[in-house]
Amino acid sequence: EIVLTQSPATLSLSPGDRATLSCRASQSVITYLAWYQQKPGQAPRLLIHDTSNRATGIPDRFRGSGSGTDFTLTISSLEPEDFALYYCQQRSSWPPTYTFGQGTRLDIK
Amino acid sequence: QVQLMQSGAEVKKPGASVTVSCKASGYRSTTYGVSWVRQAPGQGLEWMGWISTYSGNTHSAQRFQGRITLTRDTSTSTVYMQLRSLRSDDSAVYYCATDLDCSGPRCSDSWGQGTLVTVS
Repeated sequence: EIVLTQSPATLSLSPGDRATLSCRASQSVITYLAWYQQKPGQAPRLLIHDTSNRATGIPDRFRGSGSGTDFTLTISSLEPEDFALYYCQQRSSWPPTYTFGQGTRLDIK
Repeated sequence: QVQLMQSGAEVKKPGASVTVSCKASGYRSTTYGVSWVRQAPGQGLEWMGWISTYSGNTHSAQRFQGRITLTRDTSTSTVYMQLRSLRSDDSAVYYCATDLDCSGPRCSDSWGQGTLVTVS
């Protein structure tokens, strides 16, 4: 079973700053690495799929990158609405098995 | 636009079972996968299992095998998650979520609004 480790656990930044969130897998993730944003009381929202593809309606300040076991979500210039929880997720193709990282909290400094 | 509507909050006693439903509307495809994900209070997201609405094939996380049953009713576009032998640490918000849909210019998935299950 692949384990995803996100770092840092908490990131405190200001609006306009650049945010870099990390997700490391315990073994190579070949098929699918995604990033989700979650705000209190809401369901998660897909930001990035297949490592670097923005989902529908996601602004281009969100960028995903990486390969193998190391993946990054970069938010180029933080907007007030970006302060939230972020999760990475990987999927094994068959049988379909999903794993989430433990999350990174992005706080306003 | 796909919408997933889940059943309402449940309160169950330890040892009981709970069934949560998830009804899809607006889906262009008749075949898609649906996952169940839960989130305990103040905790992260935990994937529980997956069902194909086309074949009915399922796969669940090892820690839930033997306790979870996923089913679907194609006539009503509804999937169901039953969790048995409930414990207090099963108290969580349970979400259904579709697989990635790339039928549009960009891909997306859809999530239900969540169902709070309290075991007490």
